[in-house]
Amino acid sequence: NAGVMQNPRHLVRRRGQEARLRCSPMKGHSHVYWYRQLPEEGLKFMVYLQKENIIDESGMPKERFSAEFPKEGPSILRIQQVVRGDSAAYFCASSPIAGVADTQYFGPGTRLTVL
Amino acid sequence: AQSVTQPDIHITVSEGASLELRCNYSYGATPYLFWYVQSPGQGLQLLLKYFSGDTLVQGIKGFEAEFKRSQSSFNLRKPSVHWSDAAEYFCAVGAQGDYKLSFGAGTTVTVRA
Repeated sequence: NAGVMQNPRHLVRRRGQEARLRCSPMKGHSHVYWYRQLPEEGLKFMVYLQKENIIDESGMPKERFSAEFPKEGPSILRIQQVVRGDSAAYFCASSPIAGVADTQYFGPGTRLTVL
Repeated sequence: AQSVTQPDIHITVSEGASLELRCNYSYGATPYLFWYVQSPGQGLQLLLKYFSGDTLVQGIKGFEAEFKRSQSSFNLRKPSVHWSDAAEYFCAVGAQGDYKLSFGAGTTVTVRA
C-alpha cells in the first residue's frame, strides 16, 4: 500500500509565477490536510478537504492560495503570483477518518523555493 | 491557542549513547501529544502518542516519551541510538476530536560513529 505521495518534491518558481502542488492520498483515504512549514518554524495547518469539499480553510492565507480535492485525481494546492515569503515546505496528510489527529499519514513534502 | 516549543534545534549523539529530545507545550485543556520522525526524503512517521492514562508511553523503534503535566513537557527518549535514528523529530499537540495539529520547529539528530 503506497503512502501519501506528493509531487513535485522540489519546485522553483520566480516571483509572480504560479505554483501547483499535488497530493495523492493513501488508498481508501478521503480526507486530506495541507500544512506549511516556514523556515525554522513548525508545521502549521492550512486547510482540510474531503472529496469535492473544503471543510476548513482557516489556516490558509486569504489571497493567492487555493486548494481543491476533486472527485477524481489528486488534491491540488495552488499558489498564484508567488512571493519570496511563500518559500517553505508544504506537507500533505491524509486520513480514513475525520476529526482524529492520530490517523493522519504524512507525505514527504514539497519544497518550494521562490527566486 | 496551542503551541509547541522544541528548545534544541540540533543534537549530535554517538551511536550507542542515550538520546533525549525536549518538548514543551502550551494548551488549555488536556492535550493530545505526538512525536513524529522524518528521515531524509520520507514523510513524517508517527513514533508515539499520548492521549490519557499511563504517562510513560512506548513507541516504535525503541522510543518512549513521558508526559509531565506539571512541567508541560513531553520529552522523547531512547536508551541507545542507532545510526538509522539520524533524522528530524517533531513534537505536536492536538485536541480531542480535532484534526488540527500544532507542531514544534523540529530537532535534527545527527548520529556519529
